[in-house]
Parts: sequence; C-alpha cells; structure tokens
Amino acid sequence: GAVVSQHPSRVICKSGTSVKIECRSLDFQATTMFWYRQFPKQSLMLMATSNEGSKATYEQGVEKDKFLINHASLTLSTLTVTSAHPEDSSFYICSARPAAGGNTIYFGEGSWLTVV
Amino acid sequence: GENVEQHPSTLSVQEGDSAVIKCTYSDSASNYFPWYKQELGKRPQLIIDIRSNVGEKKDQRIAVTLNKTAKHFSLHITETQPEDSAVYFCAASIWGAGGTSYGKLTFGQGTILTVHP
Repeated sequence: GAVVSQHPSRVICKSGTSVKIECRSLDFQATTMFWYRQFPKQSLMLMATSNEGSKATYEQGVEKDKFLINHASLTLSTLTVTSAHPEDSSFYICSARPAAGGNTIYFGEGSWLTVV
Repeated sequence: GENVEQHPSTLSVQEGDSAVIKCTYSDSASNYFPWYKQELGKRPQLIIDIRSNVGEKKDQRIAVTLNKTAKHFSLHITETQPEDSAVYFCAASIWGAGGTSYGKLTFGQGTILTVHP
C-alpha cells in the first residue's frame, strides 16, 4: 500500500532552537498534506493544511510564524517549529491524500519532539 | 467548523464481551466517518469507515452505524480480544470532488479500550 514517511521519528532540541520535520509520500504524489499535533493522552488536532506550491492554511489558534510549513514538491511537506519551547513538545504526525484521487488518507509514522 | 464528540473516554470490558463507542458531529456537510485504532507512539490505523449514503457497515467483528439525522455514529466491536486494547478515535470529514478540505479529518477525543483476559 501507499507509504508516507516522516523524519525524524524522534528529536530532542534545546529551547529557542528550530527543528524541521519532513513528511514524504514515497509512492504517490500528494498535492495536499495535513499536519496534526497530539499531546500525550489527547486527540489529534489539525494544525494546518499544506498545499503544494501555495501557502499553508492554518487552523485557528495555530501560529503560522512559529510553525512554518513548506510544500515545495508533490512528495514532500516540511514542518519547522521555530524558537521551540518545552510546551511544543508533542507528537507531530502528517497525513497525505493522493493527487490521483481515491478514498484513502495515509498517515506518516509520526515524530516525537522533545524540547529541553 | 466541525466538532466531534466521543464517548466514553475509557471503556473496560472482559474478553468476549462487546464494546460500543459513540460519536456525534456537528457539521451536516460531513459525509465520511472513519474509525482509527492507535497504539502508543504509532500512527493511527484505519479499522473501518462509513460514508453518509450508508447506514451500517460490517467487517468481521467490527461494525459501524451512522444516523445522519441525529448526526451520530458508533463503533461496535464484538467478541473482544486483549489485542483489541488500544485507543480508538472517530473522525469526520467532507469527502467530495476536491477542494482543500478534502481529506481534512476532525477527530473525537479518543476512547481508551481495555480488554481484560
């Protein structure tokens, strides 16, 4: 089946630094990807919709200058957490829908971010 | 925007019993309702889904029912097994011919299911 890969799976960074997470569709093209954040024992909350070749659409309450999203190709979207703080520590997970259509959304493996 | 409420937050059953998890949604435009099983630190796994033109769907021990009028849908797991223990999420989405919201999922709060041997 279709595969969406995220990298890194785990990352620890210092407060004030930035960290980039990649979401890559390995065997299909994705014009749209979605970024979710999941705090421990909580649900997945949509942060933003990443659109290839255009600006991301952010959900209410999500700071676009803090969570930079770039979707420069049909197979790659990146999420950069800028000036990270301990409260940004979370599980970040992406999903992608194939540009060719179909009825399935594919999730990445997720990335654990710990800010110390 | 869409709001999905899920109950119960925790559910404990004995092996072999049935488990039912319920969700309600607010946006009448939503027409696609998937259910996911998630183990700690892993990606959500789609276990069953239903579209608004269908009232019920079954796949072996798992079934989902949908009441469009009342805007609620439920997951039914029969003959539960210890390996069914996980967190289950319902979600709602608008699935259509395209558009930026296509594939955007709004999740319920999750249900921790524990199946005791």
